[in-house]
Amino acid sequence: DIQMTQSPSSLSASVGDRVTITCRASESVSTFLNWYQQKPGKAPELLIYGASSLQSGVPLRFSGSGSGTEFTLTITTLQPEDFVSYYCHQTYNPPWTFGQGTKLEIK
Amino acid sequence: QVQLVQSGAEVKKPGASVKVSCRASGYTFTNYDINWVRQAPGQGLEWLGWINPSSGGTNTAQKFQGRVTMTRDTSITTVYMEVSRLKSDDTAVYFCARAVRSRTYWAVDVWGQGTTVTVSS
Repeated sequence: DIQMTQSPSSLSASVGDRVTITCRASESVSTFLNWYQQKPGKAPELLIYGASSLQSGVPLRFSGSGSGTEFTLTITTLQPEDFVSYYCHQTYNPPWTFGQGTKLEIK
Repeated sequence: QVQLVQSGAEVKKPGASVKVSCRASGYTFTNYDINWVRQAPGQGLEWLGWINPSSGGTNTAQKFQGRVTMTRDTSITTVYMEVSRLKSDDTAVYFCARAVRSRTYWAVDVWGQGTTVTVSS
């Protein structure tokens, strides 16, 4: 199985800050890497697909980059509603696997 | 609008089975695979498998093979996931989710609201 290592597991930041979350795959997943945001008690929502494509309706302050084994999710100008959890997700080879998640907290 | 609506919460005893439904609307049901993902309390996301609603073909994570069965009823645009021989660590929220794919990506773009399954004696 492809292991996805996401870092950091938690992150403290302030409204208006820029943050980056990293996801590393144990082997190449090409661009089959997605990012999800999850609010407490809710289903995840797709932010980024294909490593760098912004899902329709997602604010432009979210962006993704990378290919192969190294990927990043960047959020510029943090808004209060962004302080929730984020997951990376590889769909290159089944079983599809997720990173362990990053919880973004207000400093 | 595109929607996946799941069945309600379940409480089961260890060793029992549970069957969760996921009704799709707002799109052509047979054009998109439906995936199942679960999340134990306070934990991350875990993929169980997918079903192709057109063919009925499935791909189940090895960890769940023999215990998880996915089926569909195209007449009512509904997919089902049954977990047998339940254990306490199967306690989780189970999500169904639609997958979209192309040559360079394969992503889950629409999620059901989740079904809480509690396994307790």
